[in-house]
Amino acid sequence: NAGVTQTPKFQVLKTGQSMTLQCAQDMNHEYMSWYRQDPGMGLRLIHYSVGAGITDQGEVPNGYNVSRSTTEDFPLRLLSAAPSQTSVYFCASSSTLLPGQGQPQHFGDGTRLSIL
Amino acid sequence: KQEVTQIPAALSVPEGENLVLNCSFTDSAIYNLQWFRQDPGKGLTSLLLIQSSQREQTSGRLNASLDKSSGRSTLYIAASQPGDSATYLCAVRKVIGGAQKLVFGQGTRLTINP
Repeated sequence: NAGVTQTPKFQVLKTGQSMTLQCAQDMNHEYMSWYRQDPGMGLRLIHYSVGAGITDQGEVPNGYNVSRSTTEDFPLRLLSAAPSQTSVYFCASSSTLLPGQGQPQHFGDGTRLSIL
Repeated sequence: KQEVTQIPAALSVPEGENLVLNCSFTDSAIYNLQWFRQDPGKGLTSLLLIQSSQREQTSGRLNASLDKSSGRSTLYIAASQPGDSATYLCAVRKVIGGAQKLVFGQGTRLTINP
């Protein structure tokens, strides 16, 4: 069982370039999200999705776009990379959002992104 | 705004000791609290999930407690081993802006010395 798979694991970009970080899960989870992890800042939510065709902004959405065309995939797009976007990016998924029935979040291994 | 704090930021203990990691949160209106482990260069592995109606959860040598009224959770690790060395993160799940979201603490970096 693969769980949450992120690709690539490492990437170096130049300022102004664009790229897409891929995230796929095989657990049929409705809820998927993207976080960035920075030293001293912890994990911060970028965007999330509660199901196919539904996305919304998290805490730090600027400079990132997402889409959710299928239940399995939730790609994160950097439109014009900036050095401030150098970070480790994690994708996560979980099932059901019913109040009081929160299920564990499952995380991918991360994408380490450097913007020069 | 919900804030989650973990103290201490780093902890080093000899092998075999029992230890407690702390997590505090400012808003008690949470759905659940989850403890994660993160190894260097790796993603987060879920350890324990405590629903808002529960007081504690146990898994092997790990025991997590939750006191919503005081905004605190503890992760107890019994008979620590070098393999327990990692960063431990707690996160609360609550409604923010009409949607359920996780808010993370910054973690406690644990080192178990052989």
